[in-house]
Amino acid sequence: DTGVSQDPRHKITKRGQNVTFRCDPISEHNRLYWYRQTLGQGPEFLTYFQNEAQLEKSRLLSDRFSAERPKGSFSTLEIQRTEQGDSAMYLCASRYALASNEQYFGPGTRLTVT
Amino acid sequence: QKEVEQDPGPLSVPEGAIVSLNCTYSNSAFQYFMWYRQYSRKGPELLMYTYSSGNKEDGRFTAQVDKSSKYISLFIRDSQPSDSATYLCAMSASGGGADGLTFGKGTHLIIQP
Repeated sequence: DTGVSQDPRHKITKRGQNVTFRCDPISEHNRLYWYRQTLGQGPEFLTYFQNEAQLEKSRLLSDRFSAERPKGSFSTLEIQRTEQGDSAMYLCASRYALASNEQYFGPGTRLTVT
Repeated sequence: QKEVEQDPGPLSVPEGAIVSLNCTYSNSAFQYFMWYRQYSRKGPELLMYTYSSGNKEDGRFTAQVDKSSKYISLFIRDSQPSDSATYLCAMSASGGGADGLTFGKGTHLIIQP
């Protein structure tokens, strides 16, 4: 069990650019979650997938954000036309749907928008 | 008022002390409760998971849930400097359901050697 992995670990981009993050969940975990965490705050839920289906989106997920999980394995989170307010840690978590709601987190991708 | 309230600290205690961390919440639908530990610039690490009210013990850690008071606690016995981190409480309304976790802000804990 290699745990949840995320790539890149740190991304610096200029305002207005598009960025894409990748998450590889724990194998056999069919639920995958994205969260955003800003300094001094707890993570906030953005969206989640069961297999390849995106089943829930938070109101925090503006139309500049899009997430995919095309084959039910890894997932990508894209932010278009980045803004300085998008600077945050983006966390991915996974779990097995038939188990309890114990979610296992990756190391996160730290986004800095300049 | 946020759904989950957690004192951000910092909480500073000497090595070997018993640490008490807690959260209050307002949503009576919450029934799954978790504690995560997060080191600086790392992802949260799951420490304890509890369903509904009651206690759960794992090594030096004990989690308590009092649903009648909407109050949860994490106790750390024989605290070590390596326990210095931010502790996040998290909860959800449905264990097998669709919603994501709702987190507190986290309490920054410092164990003084």
